[in-house]
Amino acid sequence: DAKTTQPPSMDCAEGRAANLPCNHSTISGNEYVYWYRQIHSQGPQYIIHGLKNNETNEMASLIITEDRKSSTLILPHATLRDTAVYYCIVRPWGYSSASKIIFGSGTRLSIRP
Amino acid sequence: DGGITQSPKYLFRKEGQNVTLSCEQNLNHDAMYWYRQDPGQGLRLIYYSQIVNDFQKGDIAEGYSVSREKKESFPLTVTSAQKNPTAFYLCASSIERGQGYSNQPQHFGDGTRLSIL
Repeated sequence: DAKTTQPPSMDCAEGRAANLPCNHSTISGNEYVYWYRQIHSQGPQYIIHGLKNNETNEMASLIITEDRKSSTLILPHATLRDTAVYYCIVRPWGYSSASKIIFGSGTRLSIRP
Repeated sequence: DGGITQSPKYLFRKEGQNVTLSCEQNLNHDAMYWYRQDPGQGLRLIYYSQIVNDFQKGDIAEGYSVSREKKESFPLTVTSAQKNPTAFYLCASSIERGQGYSNQPQHFGDGTRLSIL
């Protein structure tokens, strides 16, 4: 079972910041938070991951709360090409057989022109 | 460009027939994975391999088989024993550091859509 909870759908105006929340209240100390997105009929695309510090890359920013029980993915200037299903995943490190990713239902993000 | 190539993009299987899905990566990744995705659902792990000549069953391995003879390749065979094979199949790979410690993300191919004739 997925260890994260996300809203089933969200929408955002083009050019605005899209903030996608994720609840992972049972996260363990050795688990990272990963975000992927999947555009229809394509493979999932890795976006970003983090442990406890906020992270930023060319695609997005990841804000993790101090207690690590929730996080927010921020797409700073959403475009129509960001329309996709976004998945928040927790996964441990230092555990050789835990390489699998458990995808939940994700959030379907729609960008309005 | 480095990446993961899955072929074919679409595949049709007759009843009682085995079919093999190809997955090749040129990322020099140690670990490779096969997932199945059904409409409107998340991914479920079929098999994974962390090194050449070794692989482990995932959550839904029944009716599937794999091989890992080369680092770059991880083909998946859908056997006739898989009674409901219609799905979107995704292959992924990731760097695995020594002793299985890794926080590196998995990278995915663009999938193969398998249907039953």
